[in-house]
Amino acid sequence: EDKVVQSPLSLVVHEGDTVTLNCSYEVTNFRSLLWYKQEKKAPTFLFMLTSSGIEKKSGRLSSILDKKELFSILNITATQTGDSAVYLCAVRLDQGAQKLVFGQGTRLTINP
Amino acid sequence: KAGVTQTPRYLIKTRGQQVTLSCSPISGHRSVSWYQQTPGQGLQFLFEYFSETQRNKGNFPGRFSGRQFSNSRSEMNVSTLELGDSALYLCASSLVAGYGYTFGSGTRLTVV
Repeated sequence: EDKVVQSPLSLVVHEGDTVTLNCSYEVTNFRSLLWYKQEKKAPTFLFMLTSSGIEKKSGRLSSILDKKELFSILNITATQTGDSAVYLCAVRLDQGAQKLVFGQGTRLTINP
Repeated sequence: KAGVTQTPRYLIKTRGQQVTLSCSPISGHRSVSWYQQTPGQGLQFLFEYFSETQRNKGNFPGRFSGRQFSNSRSEMNVSTLELGDSALYLCASSLVAGYGYTFGSGTRLTVV
């Protein structure tokens, strides 16, 4: 059974801290790994990772994929209260299809 | 450009009833997929449509069905509603399968 596991499930830090969110996966026919941020309803796209070892960056957020060890991390530096959200990791299976297998999510709370 | 539009935003139904949810993808997007999000199970894949054809189906009972129209708008239907069907139903669209998924804000279904 295809499985995506995120850790921790919940994290509370102070503004300005750096956080690392983890995502491991066991799936058949891996195509890519995606990170989303969900604040209220609609998950918003952060990164898509296909190749190992290539870091993707967007401002204070960065992510990297290790296809040998089957995991990805999402780093957020200098956290702000606006970073408070649920961060979702998903793996896309099968070329040409849109099926995503999601992890349970990490609920990140940034306290001022 | 307009995002993915889901209607209605909220819905309350009684056990045994049926419900139809609608999703209008971003203009030009031909791939639409549906997900169910609950606190216990997280985000789970329901089905995916491309050019009016269902290409993938998740592990949900036959009470869950969907379709896509020639203008790429999609509907999903749930018959004989059960309390456990209470969830946030999210729709995502992309230009081509596998790239640039954009989620709608979802329909919150409550079954009483």
